[in-house]
Amino acid sequence: EAAVTQSPRNKVTVTGGNVTLSCRQTNSHNYMYWYRQDTGHGLRLIHYSYGAGNLQIGDVPDGYKATRTTQEDFFLLLELASPSQTSLYFCASSDAGNTEVFFGKGTRLTVV
Amino acid sequence: GDSVTQTEGLVTLTEGLPVMLNCTYQTIYSNPFLFWYVQHLNESPRLLLKSFTDNKRTEHQGFHATLHKSSSSFHLQKSSAQLSDSALYYCALTITGNTGKLIFGLGTTLQVQP
Repeated sequence: EAAVTQSPRNKVTVTGGNVTLSCRQTNSHNYMYWYRQDTGHGLRLIHYSYGAGNLQIGDVPDGYKATRTTQEDFFLLLELASPSQTSLYFCASSDAGNTEVFFGKGTRLTVV
Repeated sequence: GDSVTQTEGLVTLTEGLPVMLNCTYQTIYSNPFLFWYVQHLNESPRLLLKSFTDNKRTEHQGFHATLHKSSSSFHLQKSSAQLSDSALYYCALTITGNTGKLIFGLGTTLQVQP
């Protein structure tokens, strides 16, 4: 079973604050993804990457930056957090673009 | 652009009855890959089924689905619902040869009652 580890699992920050969500996968997958999950909106793709140094823009990228520093590590950055970014964030990885996607346990972010 | 539509937000049915969750998709590409992911309460989504072969039934854990390119559909079915099937189900689409973008529908919550 592919392992995708997210940290922190829970985070509370203030409006305007900086937040970094971390994700590490240990299965040498090429693709990594950041999704946010909100009731009524399903899973929405923020950013994704198909290798170290690569970054692709997803469907809801505004207010988010991402960086893929290594094959294993993918970070999501919120530089000026807003209450609208309160959500459950999932990191995921896959070997190829059309194979099974493995999700981490999620990070619940609250912006007050 | 590419999209996935799940028409039911909530499906409630009694244990033992058949399950059918609808999924249709839209894409200009001729070789889509379709997936069903299931997410139980307080868990992460995980793969339930996948297919890229037209008109071929795929099965897993009692669920089955058939990709029909003629109608752009990939409905999820099960002959007899169990209480443990209660979960959020996502249909998802990706395109052969793309850079890995996986597009999810809004999801259907299945509630199975005794």
